[in-house]
Amino acid sequence: DQQVKQNSPSLSVQEGRISILNCDYTNSMFDYFLWYKKYPAEGPTFLISISSIKDKNEDGRFTVFLNKSAKHLSLHIVPSQPGDSAVYFCAASAAGTASKLTFGTGTRLQVTL
Amino acid sequence: DAGVTQSPTHLIKTRGQHVTLRCSPISGHKSVSWYQQVLGQGPQFIFQYYEKEERGRGNFPDRFSARQFPNYSSELNVNALLLGDSALYLCASSLVPWTGTGNTIYFGEGSWLTVV
Repeated sequence: DQQVKQNSPSLSVQEGRISILNCDYTNSMFDYFLWYKKYPAEGPTFLISISSIKDKNEDGRFTVFLNKSAKHLSLHIVPSQPGDSAVYFCAASAAGTASKLTFGTGTRLQVTL
Repeated sequence: DAGVTQSPTHLIKTRGQHVTLRCSPISGHKSVSWYQQVLGQGPQFIFQYYEKEERGRGNFPDRFSARQFPNYSSELNVNALLLGDSALYLCASSLVPWTGTGNTIYFGEGSWLTVV
Protein backbone atom coordinates (compact mmCIF):
# COMPACT_ATOMS: atom_id res chain seq x y z
CA ASP A 1 0.00 0.00 0.00
CA GLN A 2 1.78 3.08 -1.31
CA GLN A 3 0.75 5.89 1.03
CA VAL A 4 2.87 8.50 -0.74
CA LYS A 5 2.79 8.50 -4.53
CA GLN A 6 4.86 10.29 -7.09
CA ASN A 7 3.17 9.32 -10.33
CA SER A 8 5.70 10.88 -12.68
CA PRO A 9 8.89 8.83 -12.71
CA SER A 10 10.67 11.45 -14.77
CA LEU A 11 10.43 15.07 -15.87
CA SER A 12 12.49 17.08 -18.35
CA VAL A 13 12.57 20.87 -18.16
CA GLN A 14 14.57 23.51 -19.96
CA GLU A 15 17.01 25.62 -18.00
CA GLY A 16 15.37 28.79 -16.73
CA ARG A 17 11.86 27.36 -16.84
CA ILE A 18 9.71 26.21 -13.93
CA SER A 19 9.90 22.61 -12.73
CA ILE A 20 6.79 21.28 -11.00
CA LEU A 21 7.04 17.99 -9.16
CA ASN A 22 3.89 16.44 -7.79
CA CYS A 23 3.10 14.16 -4.88
CA ASP A 24 -0.12 12.62 -3.62
CA TYR A 25 -0.77 10.95 -0.29
CA THR A 26 -3.55 8.79 1.07
CA ASN A 27 -2.99 8.81 4.83
CA SER A 28 -4.97 11.66 6.39
CA MET A 29 -2.85 11.39 9.54
CA PHE A 30 0.17 12.83 7.72
CA ASP A 31 0.79 16.34 9.01
CA TYR A 32 4.33 17.17 7.94
CA PHE A 33 5.74 16.92 4.46
CA LEU A 34 9.29 17.14 3.13
CA TRP A 35 11.12 17.15 -0.16
CA TYR A 36 14.52 15.58 -0.56
CA LYS A 37 16.87 15.66 -3.51
CA LYS A 38 19.19 12.78 -4.29
CA TYR A 39 22.19 12.58 -6.57
CA PRO A 40 23.55 9.17 -7.57
CA ALA A 41 25.85 7.63 -4.94
CA GLU A 42 24.82 10.21 -2.34
CA GLY A 43 22.29 10.24 0.45
CA PRO A 44 19.09 12.31 0.21
CA THR A 45 19.57 16.02 0.88
CA PHE A 46 16.80 17.97 2.61
CA LEU A 47 15.29 20.72 0.45
CA ILE A 48 12.16 22.13 2.01
CA SER A 49 9.30 21.13 4.26
CA ILE A 50 5.76 22.19 5.10
CA SER A 51 3.48 21.67 8.03
CA SER A 52 -0.18 20.85 7.50
CA ILE A 53 -1.17 24.14 9.11
CA LYS A 54 0.28 25.97 6.11
CA ASP A 55 -0.50 25.81 2.42
CA LYS A 56 2.73 27.28 1.11
CA ASN A 57 6.36 27.48 2.11
CA GLU A 58 9.06 29.22 0.15
CA ASP A 59 12.85 29.03 0.30
CA GLY A 60 14.72 30.77 -2.46
CA ARG A 61 14.01 29.07 -5.75
CA PHE A 62 11.98 26.33 -4.07
CA THR A 63 8.32 26.59 -3.09
CA VAL A 64 6.17 23.79 -1.75
CA PHE A 65 2.38 23.97 -1.98
CA LEU A 66 0.06 21.81 0.07
CA ASN A 67 -3.60 21.12 -0.78
CA LYS A 68 -4.92 19.17 2.19
CA SER A 69 -8.38 18.60 0.80
CA ALA A 70 -6.89 17.00 -2.32
CA LYS A 71 -4.10 15.31 -0.34
CA HIS A 72 -1.67 16.74 -2.83
CA LEU A 73 1.55 18.65 -2.63
CA SER A 74 3.87 20.05 -5.24
CA LEU A 75 7.39 21.39 -5.41
CA HIS A 76 8.08 24.32 -7.71
CA ILE A 77 11.62 25.16 -8.74
CA VAL A 78 12.03 28.55 -10.42
CA PRO A 79 14.20 29.08 -12.36
CA SER A 80 15.41 25.54 -12.99
CA GLN A 81 19.17 25.08 -13.27
CA PRO A 82 21.23 22.18 -14.66
CA GLY A 83 22.49 21.44 -11.13
CA ASP A 84 18.91 20.69 -10.13
CA SER A 85 19.04 17.49 -12.19
CA ALA A 86 18.53 14.74 -9.61
CA VAL A 87 15.89 12.43 -8.18
CA TYR A 88 13.37 14.22 -5.98
CA PHE A 89 11.58 12.38 -3.19
CA CYS A 90 8.46 13.50 -1.43
CA ALA A 91 8.15 12.28 2.17
CA ALA A 92 5.50 12.55 4.87
CA SER A 93 5.21 11.93 8.56
CA ALA A 94 2.40 11.75 11.09
CA ALA A 95 2.34 13.13 14.61
CA GLY A 96 3.06 10.43 17.14
CA THR A 97 5.08 8.29 14.77
CA ALA A 98 8.39 9.71 15.88
CA SER A 99 10.30 10.95 12.86
CA LYS A 100 9.34 8.01 10.68
CA LEU A 101 9.23 9.26 7.11
CA THR A 102 7.16 7.60 4.42
CA PHE A 103 8.70 8.27 1.03
CA GLY A 104 7.35 8.28 -2.50
CA THR A 105 9.15 6.46 -5.28
CA GLY A 106 10.82 9.59 -6.59
CA THR A 107 10.78 11.71 -9.74
CA ARG A 108 13.90 12.06 -11.83
CA LEU A 109 14.27 15.67 -12.95
CA GLN A 110 16.48 16.51 -15.88
CA VAL A 111 17.17 20.16 -16.58
CA THR A 112 18.38 20.63 -20.12
CA LEU A 113 20.37 23.51 -21.57
CA ASP B 1 31.12 20.01 10.92
CA ALA B 2 30.94 16.41 9.84
CA GLY B 3 27.62 15.20 8.49
CA VAL B 4 26.11 11.78 9.07
CA THR B 5 28.82 9.23 8.44
CA GLN B 6 28.23 5.61 7.53
CA SER B 7 30.49 2.62 7.10
CA PRO B 8 31.24 0.61 5.14
CA THR B 9 30.25 2.37 1.92
CA HIS B 10 30.08 -0.81 -0.12
CA LEU B 11 30.08 -4.47 0.79
CA ILE B 12 29.29 -7.83 -0.73
CA LYS B 13 27.97 -10.69 1.37
CA THR B 14 26.81 -14.23 0.67
CA ARG B 15 23.30 -15.48 1.36
CA GLY B 16 22.93 -16.65 4.94
CA GLN B 17 25.70 -14.42 6.26
CA HIS B 18 25.37 -11.63 8.78
CA VAL B 19 26.14 -7.93 8.24
CA THR B 20 26.72 -4.98 10.56
CA LEU B 21 26.37 -1.43 9.29
CA ARG B 22 27.51 1.56 11.30
CA CYS B 23 26.39 5.15 11.59
CA SER B 24 27.67 8.23 13.38
CA PRO B 25 25.11 11.02 13.64
CA ILE B 26 25.81 14.71 13.37
CA SER B 27 27.38 16.02 16.56
CA GLY B 28 24.64 16.94 19.01
CA HIS B 29 22.00 14.79 17.33
CA LYS B 30 20.50 12.16 19.60
CA SER B 31 18.04 10.54 17.20
CA VAL B 32 19.14 8.01 14.59
CA SER B 33 16.95 6.25 12.06
CA TRP B 34 17.67 3.55 9.50
CA TYR B 35 16.13 3.22 6.06
CA GLN B 36 16.40 0.66 3.28
CA GLN B 37 16.27 1.80 -0.33
CA VAL B 38 15.98 -0.80 -3.05
CA LEU B 39 16.52 0.16 -6.67
CA GLY B 40 13.66 2.17 -8.13
CA GLN B 41 11.94 2.74 -4.80
CA GLY B 42 11.96 5.38 -2.12
CA PRO B 43 13.66 4.75 1.22
CA GLN B 44 11.68 2.56 3.63
CA PHE B 45 11.80 3.09 7.38
CA ILE B 46 13.41 0.29 9.39
CA PHE B 47 14.14 1.63 12.88
CA GLN B 48 14.43 4.77 14.93
CA TYR B 49 16.47 5.14 18.12
CA TYR B 50 16.56 8.01 20.56
CA GLU B 51 18.60 8.13 23.75
CA LYS B 52 19.51 4.46 23.18
CA GLU B 53 15.89 3.35 23.12
CA GLU B 54 13.95 2.04 20.14
CA ARG B 55 11.25 4.57 19.30
CA GLY B 56 9.91 3.11 16.10
CA ARG B 57 10.09 0.00 13.97
CA GLY B 58 9.05 -0.49 10.38
CA ASN B 59 7.64 -3.56 8.70
CA PHE B 60 10.84 -5.60 8.57
CA PRO B 61 11.47 -9.16 9.78
CA ASP B 62 13.21 -9.98 13.06
CA ARG B 63 16.39 -10.67 11.11
CA PHE B 64 16.85 -6.90 11.26
CA SER B 65 17.97 -5.41 14.54
CA ALA B 66 19.69 -2.24 15.66
CA ARG B 67 21.09 -0.52 18.67
CA GLN B 68 22.30 2.89 19.73
CA PHE B 69 25.35 3.49 21.85
CA PRO B 70 25.97 6.05 24.62
CA ASN B 71 27.76 8.31 22.11
CA TYR B 72 24.57 8.15 19.94
CA SER B 73 26.21 6.20 17.16
CA SER B 74 24.23 3.24 15.91
CA GLU B 75 24.55 -0.19 14.34
CA LEU B 76 22.15 -1.99 12.06
CA ASN B 77 22.47 -5.77 12.03
CA VAL B 78 20.94 -8.11 9.49
CA ASN B 79 21.10 -11.87 10.01
CA ALA B 80 20.58 -14.71 7.56
CA LEU B 81 20.95 -12.45 4.54
CA LEU B 82 18.67 -12.98 1.58
CA LEU B 83 19.17 -11.83 -1.99
CA GLY B 84 16.31 -9.38 -1.46
CA ASP B 85 18.27 -7.60 1.26
CA SER B 86 20.49 -6.11 -1.45
CA ALA B 87 19.88 -2.39 -1.14
CA LEU B 88 21.22 0.97 -0.07
CA TYR B 89 20.98 1.31 3.69
CA LEU B 90 20.62 4.90 4.82
CA CYS B 91 21.16 6.34 8.25
CA ALA B 92 19.46 9.59 9.23
CA SER B 93 20.04 11.78 12.24
CA SER B 94 18.12 14.59 13.88
CA LEU B 95 18.16 16.54 17.12
CA VAL B 96 14.94 15.09 18.44
CA PRO B 97 12.80 12.10 17.45
CA TRP B 98 9.90 13.95 15.87
CA THR B 99 9.39 15.91 12.70
CA GLY B 100 8.73 19.58 12.62
CA THR B 101 10.11 22.95 11.69
CA GLY B 102 13.58 23.34 13.07
CA ASN B 103 14.26 19.63 13.31
CA THR B 104 15.75 18.77 9.95
CA ILE B 105 16.44 15.10 9.30
CA TYR B 106 19.81 14.62 7.66
CA PHE B 107 20.86 11.51 5.76
CA GLY B 108 24.24 9.90 5.32
CA GLU B 109 25.52 8.69 1.97
CA GLY B 110 24.50 5.15 2.72
CA SER B 111 25.98 1.68 2.72
CA TRP B 112 25.51 -0.31 -0.47
CA LEU B 113 24.92 -3.96 0.38
CA THR B 114 24.99 -6.62 -2.30
CA VAL B 115 23.97 -10.15 -1.34
CA VAL B 116 25.10 -12.87 -3.74
